[in-house]
Amino acid sequence: DIVMTQSPESLAVSPGERATITCKSSQSILYSSNNNNYLAWYQQKPGQPPKLLIYWASTRKSGVPDRFSGSGSGTDFTLTISSLQAEDVAVYFCQQYYSTPRTFGQGTKVEIK
Amino acid sequence: EVQLVESGGGLVQPGGSLKLSCAASGFTFSDSAMHWVRQASGKGLEWVGRIRTKPNSYATAYAASVRGRFTISRDDSKNTAYLQMNSLKTEDTAVYYCISPGEGGAFDLWGQGTMVTVSS
Repeated sequence: DIVMTQSPESLAVSPGERATITCKSSQSILYSSNNNNYLAWYQQKPGQPPKLLIYWASTRKSGVPDRFSGSGSGTDFTLTISSLQAEDVAVYFCQQYYSTPRTFGQGTKVEIK
Repeated sequence: EVQLVESGGGLVQPGGSLKLSCAASGFTFSDSAMHWVRQASGKGLEWVGRIRTKPNSYATAYAASVRGRFTISRDDSKNTAYLQMNSLKTEDTAVYYCISPGEGGAFDLWGQGTMVTVSS
């Protein structure tokens, strides 16, 4: 199984400042035949199901604000919130969909400082 | 409206059984693989399993923690996926979500979830 490791577990950021979350996979999730990284980022607010933000490691889902961006390749990935807003307070998860079983990072709780 | 609606959750004793349903609408259900993911209170996300489409032989796969106890099925005529849970354990207590993947397989469409509590 591919193990996904996120860091930090939590972070507090002032409004308007940058928030950065990292995710590392235990093996490469880059599929060489199409050059896609099978990595997604999700946002989960209390009492709600997770919401897809980013797929293919860096493709923003339609309707997701452009302050959210994803980067990385192979085994190392980053989710960046360029200017944190109050509504971004949530838990963020990374996930690999390269192989079965699908696996998630443990989550990063983002709060306002 | 494109949506997934889970039902069937509830309280069950250890060793008991429960069958969850996931009703789909607003998209071509028969063209979509369906996954189940669970989340214990205050915890992370755990993939439970998936069922593929008819052209892919309705192939199923399961997490090691539920293999042999849980069975995923689907009825394309009813636009519904199912999760049959047998020999339930206290550690199966969680909110269960059904999911329809989007492009390439990321989990694009989630249901609201249904709570399963295994307790005596």
